[in-house]
Amino acid sequence: KNEVEQSPQNLTAQEGEFITINCSYSVGISALHWLQQHPGGGIVSLFMLSSGKKKHGRLIATINIQEKHSSLHITASHPRDSAVYICAVKGADGLTFGKGTHLIIQP
Amino acid sequence: DSGVTQTPKHLITATGQRVTLRCSPRSGDLSVYWYQQSLDQGLQFLIQYYNGEERAKGNILERFSAQQFPDLHSELNLSSLELGDSALYFCASSVVHGTSGDNEQFFGPGTRLTVL
Repeated sequence: KNEVEQSPQNLTAQEGEFITINCSYSVGISALHWLQQHPGGGIVSLFMLSSGKKKHGRLIATINIQEKHSSLHITASHPRDSAVYICAVKGADGLTFGKGTHLIIQP
Repeated sequence: DSGVTQTPKHLITATGQRVTLRCSPRSGDLSVYWYQQSLDQGLQFLIQYYNGEERAKGNILERFSAQQFPDLHSELNLSSLELGDSALYFCASSVVHGTSGDNEQFFGPGTRLTVL
């Protein structure tokens, strides 16, 4: 079974800061997802990637397949970015989720 | 708004009871996935249906079952409920038939189940 570790578990930053959230996994995968869960509970899919880098607005996701590691970056962070960010990996036994990173951006 | 709807939003019931959670996928999406999110286990994949057929199974208990109907809506049935079944249950949909994790998925707002 794939083990998915996210760091940090909790992160508080000031508005405008550059944010990095990390995800490491133990077994080779075919795809990795980054999800955002709002305080109200709703989940939004941010990225799905299997190699390289993707960018959407202020969000950037990268993956290094050899090192079994992915990062989610947020540039010019804003209080509305406050949420739980969840990494999920697709392996032979389906989708395995990390525990999430709770991000708070203070004005 | 993802276009995926789930009902009910909240459900409170007692141990031993049976409940049904309903999900309507986005228009045109043929795949429906069910997930459970509990405080101690986090998010877990339960089961996937594609165009009415079971496509993949995850950590779904034998007390739980699901089905997808001809109109593509799906129901998750939870029986002999235990306190530990209290969780958020999410449904997601995608247009293609890949197994859970192969494609971008669109999540519903979830059903919060409380078992007393």
